[in-house]
Amino acid sequence: VHLVQSGGGLVWPGGSLRLSCATSGFTFTNAWLSWVRQAPGKGLEWVGRIKIKTDGATTDYAAPVKGRFTISRDASKNTLYLQMNSLKTEDTAVYYCATDGYPKLFDYWGQGTLVTVSS
Amino acid sequence: DIVMTQTPLSLSVTPGQPASISCKSGQSLLHSDGMTYLYWYLQKPGQSPQLLIYEVSSRFYGVSDRFSGSGSGTDFTLQIGRVGAEDVGIYYCMQGIDLPLTFGQGTRLDIK
Repeated sequence: VHLVQSGGGLVWPGGSLRLSCATSGFTFTNAWLSWVRQAPGKGLEWVGRIKIKTDGATTDYAAPVKGRFTISRDASKNTLYLQMNSLKTEDTAVYYCATDGYPKLFDYWGQGTLVTVSS
Repeated sequence: DIVMTQTPLSLSVTPGQPASISCKSGQSLLHSDGMTYLYWYLQKPGQSPQLLIYEVSSRFYGVSDRFSGSGSGTDFTLQIGRVGAEDVGIYYCMQGIDLPLTFGQGTRLDIK
């Protein structure tokens, strides 16, 4: 199982950024997927999740990002996305993608990508 | 949101000695399906977190049998037998019963 992330960087407050998480080694269409972030020197914070098509492909988000972040998935590319809009300085963090779904929540993780929101 | 509280926040252990980390949840993690959704992760320095234990006491693939989880309801424990240099890092518990999924503050383990 491999999850390879891309797309981080420096962005102005109010700006947008899209993160990608290219996956391999498992059946993408059968896997829930989540994003987890870690602010500098802080602990882990769940950002949101997307379920599989047969579960409605529904998404859930943590309150701090709801309405600003959108999680999507592209089965043709085995890739997960996190579209981040209206970014705030407090969104500065390393963002991880992770496989999800019971019973083993977050059993495989990407390498993480740093998003810095600063003027 | 379910608050997860870990103790201690830091731990310094002599090599070969055991270690124990406590995690308490703000409400029971026992689901109506009979499962208890408590997880343990380890984040080694400079690495992504890795799953150690799921559903209180089940070790993930390849995890050493020196790691064991126990507990029920709201009180849980991760025990590490014979700590070694490879166990250094930050340990997090997490609840999976309700959204938002929430983590404990983390417990930093180092070697004396």
